[in-house]
Amino acid sequence: NAGVMQNPRHLVRRRGQEARLRCSPMKGHSHVYWYRQLPEEGLKFMVYLQKENIIDESGMPKERFSAEFPKEGPSILRIQQVVRGDSAAYFCASQDRGLGYTFGSGTRLTVV
Amino acid sequence: GENVEQHPSTLSVQEGDSAVIKCTYSDSASNYFPWYKQELGKGPQLIIDIRSNVGEKKDQRIAVTLNKTAKHFSLHITETQPEDSAVYFCAASNEGFQKLVFGTGTRLLVSP
Repeated sequence: NAGVMQNPRHLVRRRGQEARLRCSPMKGHSHVYWYRQLPEEGLKFMVYLQKENIIDESGMPKERFSAEFPKEGPSILRIQQVVRGDSAAYFCASQDRGLGYTFGSGTRLTVV
Repeated sequence: GENVEQHPSTLSVQEGDSAVIKCTYSDSASNYFPWYKQELGKGPQLIIDIRSNVGEKKDQRIAVTLNKTAKHFSLHITETQPEDSAVYFCAASNEGFQKLVFGTGTRLLVSP
């Protein structure tokens, strides 16, 4: 039973490029969350999705950021026109209803 | 919204000693309080959680206590071992809204 799979593990983008982060939840989990972690800080909630629906995007910047969780395939966090301040670790977590989260190993985005 | 404060930010103990990490929260509607351990380069791993209908929960060397009146909860690790060295995060949520609000983390160092 594979855990939450995130790829890539490391991603380097130049300013202005697009970053696409992928997350495959645990088998049978239909709830996905994205969190961002800046160096030496805690995790900040970004967005909560269920299959084909965004439930809560209150933590996601209104511009340049988008997320989806299609009926088939992984959840995608997309950052357009990246800036240096987007450099962070992005963690995905999945959940079976009523139980605790399981986090993936994260994608470390570096904007140069 | 919810705000979670965590103390101390760093904690150094000798192997075999106990370690205590404390968190306070602001939203009285919060009813789920997990603790996560994060090792370098990895995602957070759930180590123990507690719901508001109990005051204490124990799992081998790890215990969590909750005081709903005072809005604080604590992680207790007994007989610490070097492999307990990591960053520990507390979090809180209102399960009806699912998202977790994290504390800023405690870096625990256990010296042999």
